[in-house]
Amino acid sequence: RKEVEQDPGPFNVPEGATVAFNCTYSNSASQSFFWYRQDCRKEPKLLMSVYSSGNEDGRFTAQLNRASQYISLLIRDSKLSDSATYLCVVNRPGGGNKLTFGTGTQLKVEL
Amino acid sequence: GAGVSQSPSNKVTEKGKDVELRCDPISGHTALYWYRQSLGQGLEFLIYFQGNSAPDKSGLPSDRFSAERTGGSVSTLTIQRTQQEDSAVYLCASSLAGGDRTQYFGPGTRLTVL
Repeated sequence: RKEVEQDPGPFNVPEGATVAFNCTYSNSASQSFFWYRQDCRKEPKLLMSVYSSGNEDGRFTAQLNRASQYISLLIRDSKLSDSATYLCVVNRPGGGNKLTFGTGTQLKVEL
Repeated sequence: GAGVSQSPSNKVTEKGKDVELRCDPISGHTALYWYRQSLGQGLEFLIYFQGNSAPDKSGLPSDRFSAERTGGSVSTLTIQRTQQEDSAVYLCASSLAGGDRTQYFGPGTRLTVL
């Protein structure tokens, strides 16, 4: 089983749609969770951290369910500029700040 | 301010040759990480430096891979006797040691081994 699993997509959605991505992680000892965004042939950039209480940043909402080892990202009112690959990221327990990345979910927002 | 920089941006080499990839972290960041991203794969952790501590090399795939960090700043990742399966984008990231430990990535070095 992969440490972090995501549906690779692609998710093709019209502008203005709401889209949700899910992710599961295998190590119950993980403590930190993130969503990164990666544009084609670019480096990953932090989109948002994910907290147990859930958190929102503008059109983006992240949720964490520790019991189910499940993380989600909701994008409302999607824009063309949201087209990218969204990476689910979990810290690797055992010290340090090493991260384990999912393979990403590709989003294409269309007119 | 300046972000993480990496050089070269692209490197094409022949199988069996050695390559060196360079990373300049964000000034003041004491933690530095190397990852690689192969086609269709997630980012794979390679090695982690934190201050003057011994590096965490647990992600290095073989003894052909090594990395150094001189003066607590610039880092070099060396791959000896390159193989075709080493072809990937090698990404460097840096972060603060405490507080907000967000990792900021450089643009990567795209390595192609022929």
